[in-house]
Amino acid sequence: GAVVSQHPSWVICKSGTSVKIECRSLDFQATTMFWYRQFPKQSLMLMATSNEGSKATYEQGVEKDKFLINHASLTLSTLTVTSAHPEDSSFYICSAIPFVGSEAFFGQGTRLTVV
Amino acid sequence: SQQGEEDPQALSIQEGENATMNCSYKTSINNLQWYRQNSGRGLVHLILIRSNEREKHSGRLRVTLDTSKKSSSLLITASRAADTASYFCATDPNTGNQFYFGTGTSLTVIP
Repeated sequence: GAVVSQHPSWVICKSGTSVKIECRSLDFQATTMFWYRQFPKQSLMLMATSNEGSKATYEQGVEKDKFLINHASLTLSTLTVTSAHPEDSSFYICSAIPFVGSEAFFGQGTRLTVV
Repeated sequence: SQQGEEDPQALSIQEGENATMNCSYKTSINNLQWYRQNSGRGLVHLILIRSNEREKHSGRLRVTLDTSKKSSSLLITASRAADTASYFCATDPNTGNQFYFGTGTSLTVIP
């Protein structure tokens, strides 16, 4: 199946700093990428939908100024957690689809710990 | 809430038994997908069923979809200890291209 690579797989950062997470579709062009957040023992919550070349669409309750999403090309989307705080510690997962209605391919996830 | 509901939240069975998980969702959909997640890891796609399909099989997996009831079920037959994981349904509402996940079922298969 298609491969989506997410980097880094884990990161520890100090409170107040920013962290960038990359999501790449390795063998297909992704019309749309999605960013999710998952707390322990909970489901995945969609944060935002990212289309190449346009602004991301954020779900209700997600701060767009805190979670900056850039979808610079058809194979790369980035999520930057700005001024991170301990409550931002979570598992962040991206996914990408090659076309509308297709299976979604997921990255391996990034475990962020803010200390 | 953006999520669908899954039940049961947790399921514990003996190896060899069948496991059934149910998913209910809120809006009309293009398709519904089932995913598996081992603890702290990424997601593995199991099966996709389109809104015009009623049943689909893949190996030991059987998925049904009832769009009139907005529900789906995942059946794992002859379970194995390696099937222990969390299982999520995800829907692609036909009002947009987002994927929303259900609350998940934690399955434990006891050897």
